[in-house]
Amino acid sequence: RKEVEQDPGPFNVPEGATVAFNCTYSNSASQSFFWYRQDCRKEPKLLMSVYSSGNEDGRFTAQLNRASQYISLLIRDSKLSDSATYLCVVNEGYNFNKFYFGSGTKLNVKP
Amino acid sequence: NAGVTQTPKFQVLKTGQSMTLQCAQDMNHNSMYWYRQDPGMGLRLIYYSASEGTTDKGEVPNGYNVSRLNKREFSLRLESAAPSQTSVYFCASNTMDYNEQFFGPGTRLTVL
Repeated sequence: RKEVEQDPGPFNVPEGATVAFNCTYSNSASQSFFWYRQDCRKEPKLLMSVYSSGNEDGRFTAQLNRASQYISLLIRDSKLSDSATYLCVVNEGYNFNKFYFGSGTKLNVKP
Repeated sequence: NAGVTQTPKFQVLKTGQSMTLQCAQDMNHNSMYWYRQDPGMGLRLIYYSASEGTTDKGEVPNGYNVSRLNKREFSLRLESAAPSQTSVYFCASNTMDYNEQFFGPGTRLTVL
């Protein structure tokens, strides 16, 4: 079983749409959760950390559900520039040095 | 700051050849990582180094060796390349509070 699982998509949405991605993780002891963005043939870059209380950064909202072991990312008012692959990342239990990446969810925002 | 740099950007090897991928960071980070990314597989951890002088295996260490030369540099060596090692290799380093990993631009390796 993979440590982190994501729907690979692609999610094809029109500009202005709201889209949500989910990610599940297997290690209940995991402490740190993140969403990274990866553009085609580029390196991943941190989009946002995910906190237990949920957090928002502009059009992006991240939620954590520890009981069900899933993380979500909501993007409101999608822009063409949001087209990318979104990677869910979770640390290994109490080892803050080790991380597991999901295989990513591809988003295509169409005009 | 250059951030995380990797060399080379592209490499083609023949089966059985060896090579070393170089990585350096100028952000004074303690932790450094090597990942490989294959289509549909996401990033998989090969090795990591929590601090200068220490290295630990990740998910897929077989066929690789690493050296944490100093705080700045973390190299990945393929002793006898195999076609299964064709991949994109990313080096990363982590902030002190473990809240963000910074990645290098990647090395695209093809083993024939």
